Amino acid sequence: AQRVTQPEKLLSVFKGAPVELKCNYSYSGSPELFWYVQYSRQRLQLLLRHISRESIKGFTADLNKGETSFHLKKPFAQEEDSAMYYCALISGGYQKVTFGTGTKLQVIP
Amino acid sequence: GAGVSQSPSNKVTEKGKDVELRCDPISGHTALYWYRQRLGQGLEFLIYFQGNSAPDKSGLPSDRFSAERTGESVSTLTIQRTQQEDSAVYLCASRPRTGLSYNEQFFGPGTRLTVL
Repeated sequence: AQRVTQPEKLLSVFKGAPVELKCNYSYSGSPELFWYVQYSRQRLQLLLRHISRESIKGFTADLNKGETSFHLKKPFAQEEDSAMYYCALISGGYQKVTFGTGTKLQVIP
Repeated sequence: GAGVSQSPSNKVTEKGKDVELRCDPISGHTALYWYRQRLGQGLEFLIYFQGNSAPDKSGLPSDRFSAERTGESVSTLTIQRTQQEDSAVYLCASRPRTGLSYNEQFFGPGTRLTVL
């Protein structure tokens, strides 16, 4: 069975401080991993996906298959980064999607 | 075109009543998902439709919950004999089969259900 774990329910950082939102997964095959973000009063939307290997809004995430992790990082947090962040895994074949429980990021001015 | 739409945006009902929630996916998206988001909680998977395959109902919390989808169009989520613990935001998402956004889920705005 596939599982996604986000150990922190809430993460508070000061503006300008580095941010790391943790995500660990369990899946026997080759997963595709995503980070989704939900800003206040907005729809849940894709932030980035591991196969793109891109930086979005200053965020990056590297898939570490050895540690089965896909942590989301940003070197300098901004107030507008305050939101709910979800890590998600999609399996091959039937392509079921599993979300983590989410981490609320609060950037303190 | 338009994104995923859901209706109603808000629904207040009395305990014991049945409710029906609707999701209109993006045209051409073959996969459709329903999730529940309780206040202060994460996303809880409910059900997944992929084309004409049998749906994955493994996330439905009880037999009071059911969902239908005709082809690759509208889906309805029905909750019978609602309970107060059913109060939540119900989110729908659709996903394309191919293209640059393959495997990306596009979410609707959600239906906020309140059971009194």
